[in-house]
Order: sequence, then structure tokens, then C-alpha cells
Amino acid sequence: DAMVIQNPRYQVTQFGKPVTLSCSQTLNHNVMYWYQQKSSQAPKLLFHYYDKDFNNEADTPDNFQSRRPNTSFCFLDIRSPGLGDAAMYLCATSIGQGYEQYFGPGTRLTVT
Amino acid sequence: AQSVTQLDSQVPVFEEAPVELRCNYSSSVSVYLFWYVQYPNQGLQLLLKYLSGSTLVKGINGFEAEFNKSQTSFHLRKPSVHISDTAEYFCAVGPSGYSTLTFGKGTMLLVSP
Repeated sequence: DAMVIQNPRYQVTQFGKPVTLSCSQTLNHNVMYWYQQKSSQAPKLLFHYYDKDFNNEADTPDNFQSRRPNTSFCFLDIRSPGLGDAAMYLCATSIGQGYEQYFGPGTRLTVT
Repeated sequence: AQSVTQLDSQVPVFEEAPVELRCNYSSSVSVYLFWYVQYPNQGLQLLLKYLSGSTLVKGINGFEAEFNKSQTSFHLRKPSVHISDTAEYFCAVGPSGYSTLTFGKGTMLLVSP
């Protein structure tokens, strides 16, 4: 089945220790998104790629970076995680403008 | 810019009762509208979408929603809920022709026997 895959599902990192979350898709979608979702809150868009074009939300902290080496993969790098970065991180894809987004199962990040 | 308001943070309901989850939006341009469901520790799953055409949209799991342009609403309804419908429901709006969505804060539907 075509899908959006996120690894790992649960990630524990130490305060200040860089961490990378990964997302892959078999849908061959042009657009890939990264969201941060804290407990009982709406998903908050961090950035998205339209093909290779990177789009950063204005309020996304510099601590968060992303890479999309090819159509199928997208990575979220958190350079120096703080306790406030503990959250569920959701990856999503979309065919393009005006189409629904397909979400992965998420990676729950814990910062100790 | 767009915004989405989900008026109820929690909606408790008994099994087999009807339910309506409310969503209002504001936008200066035409929009696409979506409802997503999220079960604990999972990603979001699309329930239904409105892009154009008929204002009554049917989705998965027996849910439907009605787009009301004059009231800028997109309320979600189900005539008879099941225990398994217990989940968080998010309304989202995206400006037509763009790639990004704005989500509401979510409504937790709590179905009890």
C-alpha cells in the first residue's frame, strides 16, 4: 500500500543533543510537510517542500532544519533540542496545491 | 490569512446518538475545507473534504459535512456514533491554489456506552 512512513515512532534524546527524524513516502507526491503537535493542540506547520523548493514558516525556530534529498525522503533535524521541543512530529505529503494531505503516524520526541 | 475556530474543545455523547462538531473559518479568498480525525498516538486521517461543487460532502465512517459559505461554516455530523468514533477531530482550511493548511484547535469526541 502507498503510504507515509515515519521512523522512529518514538525517539528519546538528551537536552542539546542533535536529533534527526525521518519521513519517507511511496505516494510519489510533490509536496512534503513537517508539523509539530504538542499535547492537545493543533498541528503547527514548521516547513514544507514543493519539489525541491523549501518553504519555511516565519515563526519556525532556527533550531529546526529540514532536508529533502529526493522525492521520497524528507528529514527533520533539531540541532539543539530543548525541553520545549518535546512533541509529536508529523510528516505529511500532498500531490500539490489544493489537494488533501496524507499524514504519517508521527514520531513522538521526548527530551530528557 | 486564514483562521479556523472549533467552538467546542470536547463533545461528550452517548453511543448511537447523533453528533455535530462545529467549525467556522475566516478567509479573504476562496478556500478548500477538510476534516481530519486523529486517534491516540497516531497521525491524522482524512475524513472528508470540500473543494467545490455540492455543499454536502460525505466522508468515511458515516460522517458528512455541509459547507455554508454565507455563515463561513463547515460543521461535521454523524447520525449515530459508535464507541470507536472516540477521537480528536480537526477542521482545516486551505486557500484555493496553495499548498498549506491552517488547522483548528481540535474537538475531542467522547462516546460513552
